[in-house]
Amino acid sequence: DSGVTQTPKHLITATGQRVTLRCSPRSGDLSVYWYQQSLDQGLQFLIQYYNGEERAKGNILERFSAQQFPDLHSELNLSSLELGDSALYFCASSPRREGGANVLTFGAGSRLTVL
Amino acid sequence: AQSVTQLDSHVSVSEGTPVLLRCNYSSSYSPSLFWYVQHPNKGLQLLLKYTSAATLVKGINGFEAEFKKSETSFHLTKPSAHMSDAAEYFCVVSDRVTGGGNKLTFGTGTQLKVEL
Repeated sequence: DSGVTQTPKHLITATGQRVTLRCSPRSGDLSVYWYQQSLDQGLQFLIQYYNGEERAKGNILERFSAQQFPDLHSELNLSSLELGDSALYFCASSPRREGGANVLTFGAGSRLTVL
Repeated sequence: AQSVTQLDSHVSVSEGTPVLLRCNYSSSYSPSLFWYVQHPNKGLQLLLKYTSAATLVKGINGFEAEFKKSETSFHLTKPSAHMSDAAEYFCVVSDRVTGGGNKLTFGTGTQLKVEL
C-alpha cells in the first residue's frame, strides 16, 4: 500500500456521462497530480495541485476539471465522456510543490471504461 | 522541454542473466531522472532516482542506474534477473514549470519479460 488512495478502482459508464474520480494523498503530502494512462497515448500528465491551488497543467481536456479541497484530497471530474476517454487514471502525491527530489508516490489507479 | 526516449519497447531475458533497459534523455540543464516500475494491474512504484548527487544510483530490488552526461543516458541494470522482475519499466524526467510546479514526463515504457 503506497498510502495514496484512489476510488473507485473500476468504473463503467456510457458516452456522454460524467464521472468523478477521487484521490486521498499520502499523509503529509501537499501536492496531488493526475495522470492518464492509455494504450495509444502512454502516461500523460494532466494537472497538479499544491495545497489547494493549481500549479501545473498538462494535456488536460476542457471537458475535464479537477480540484483539491482543504483536507488535501482531490477530485478529477470527467464530463461528456467519449470512448477515447477509457483509460487508467492515476493520482500521485508528493511532499513539495516542485524540485527534482520531489518524489511522487502513485496510487493504484482508477480504471474507467466508457461504452 | 525535456524528454526521455526508451530505446526498447520489449526486452526478454532468462532468469539469472543481466538486465539492461536503455533510456536517453534530452535536457537543457541538469535533469532529475527516475525509473518507475509498473506490475500488471498495479500502480507505479519508484525504483530509483538521480538528483545530481552520485552518478551511480542504487535502487530497490537490486536495480541500479548510471547517469552519463556525455552520453545523455540513464540506463537501468540488474546483475541477475528474477521472475518477479517481469513488469513494465518507465524512465522519467522531472520538469519544473512556470509558476512553481512539477511535471514528470514519462518514456513510452519497456516491457521486461523474464523466462525460465
